[in-house]
Amino acid sequence: EVQLVESGGGLVKPGGSLRLSCAVSGFTFRNYTMSWVRQVPGKGLEWVSSITRSSDYIYYADSLKGRFTISRDNAKNSLYLQMNSLRAEDTAVYYCAREHTLINFFDYWGQGALVTVSS
Amino acid sequence: DIQMTQSPSSLSASVGDGVTITCRASQSINNYLNWYQQKPGKAPKLVMYSASSLHSGVPSRFSGTGSGTDFTLTISSLQPEDFATYYCQQTHSTPWTFGQGTKVEIK
Repeated sequence: EVQLVESGGGLVKPGGSLRLSCAVSGFTFRNYTMSWVRQVPGKGLEWVSSITRSSDYIYYADSLKGRFTISRDNAKNSLYLQMNSLRAEDTAVYYCAREHTLINFFDYWGQGALVTVSS
Repeated sequence: DIQMTQSPSSLSASVGDGVTITCRASQSINNYLNWYQQKPGKAPKLVMYSASSLHSGVPSRFSGTGSGTDFTLTISSLQPEDFATYYCQQTHSTPWTFGQGTKVEIK
């Protein structure tokens, strides 16, 4: 069974940092591009970042302006999102998702991790 | 960036009704169009990919059409479990972008 489990969410002050993790099981992690997608509570979905199988290619949403860093550890079957200089507008549920290699749809998602940026 | 516009934003329908949701891209995306279903408090689930390919396990009452800039998702006979919010997404070029969502509610 494919499973993606996010962790590391929580409350952080504006300007602070947080690192999200996504532990995966049930498939060969190193064979897939992985992504982060976020959703402000009550709002729509926003793609954040994607990283290819061997970390050769990394993509970010322009709005992040270098504040977020995606990474992965294929030996640990884990995906990460380092978030720095957090702002109130970064408050959202952050989902990790498996991305199809060629067509790039997201076929499996984690349950989400809530990040709240507030003083 | 490619903008995705869905219509309607919400609709009310009864069990057994057929419904159609439309998604329009700001430029041609060929058939790089995917549909997701999301229920409150849950992660999105893939319903359709490449405009018209049904994801594994999704009932055949769901169908998708379109190419270029105009796409539709149709549910032929709404079931209670289909009431949810549906999002389209383009994966033609980064940044991958989503429509604003269409909420399908019970009449």
